[in-house]
Amino acid sequence: NAGVTQTPKFQVLKTGQSMTLQCAQDMNHNSMYWYRQDPGMGLRLIYYSASEGTTDKGEVPNGYNVSRLNKREFSLRLESAAPSQTSVYFCASSLMGSDNEQFFGPGTRLTVL
Amino acid sequence: GDSVTQMEGPVTLSEEACLTINCTYTATGYPSLFWYVQYPGEGLQLLLKATKADDKGSNKGFEATYRKETTSFHLEKGSVQVSDSAVYFCALTYYGGSQGNLIFGKGTKLSVKP
Repeated sequence: NAGVTQTPKFQVLKTGQSMTLQCAQDMNHNSMYWYRQDPGMGLRLIYYSASEGTTDKGEVPNGYNVSRLNKREFSLRLESAAPSQTSVYFCASSLMGSDNEQFFGPGTRLTVL
Repeated sequence: GDSVTQMEGPVTLSEEACLTINCTYTATGYPSLFWYVQYPGEGLQLLLKATKADDKGSNKGFEATYRKETTSFHLEKGSVQVSDSAVYFCALTYYGGSQGNLIFGKGTKLSVKP
């Protein structure tokens, strides 16, 4: 039982490049989330997916797109990376909604030059 | 809007010292409250939670009581260990859109010295 996995662990991009962060969970959870963590800012929600086939914007969605590919997988895409998107990105999942415990992946450290 | 405020860190303690990390919240309605912990190089994991007023969450020697009258959820431990060194996040559920989501405080870094 791997829990929540994320790839890659580290990535360096140049301004304007695109990339997709991958996330998968094997706990049969309905809800999945993408957060970014910046120093002194805590975690901020980018997008979430309450269930397969649905996605909604969180607090800081600009510059990102998401795809809930199936129940297990939820990807985050940066179409044209900017230095302001330098951050650590965490994927999380929960059985149903936030009252249930959210399980977090190990994170992706992204640097945009 | 809903928000969480927790004490600024870093907090440095000696082993076996008492710990309190303050957390207060602003919310419309009655949120559930959580403490998450992030060990170095890892993702967050749930430490404890409370879903209604006067509930006490506890785990691994840590405790926090949901106080509606003071809108607080302070994290306490009687005797910290070096292994407790981590960043601690207070969070609440926010009900907007189609489901509840978590709103996090900025985190408090704890270092415990032997």
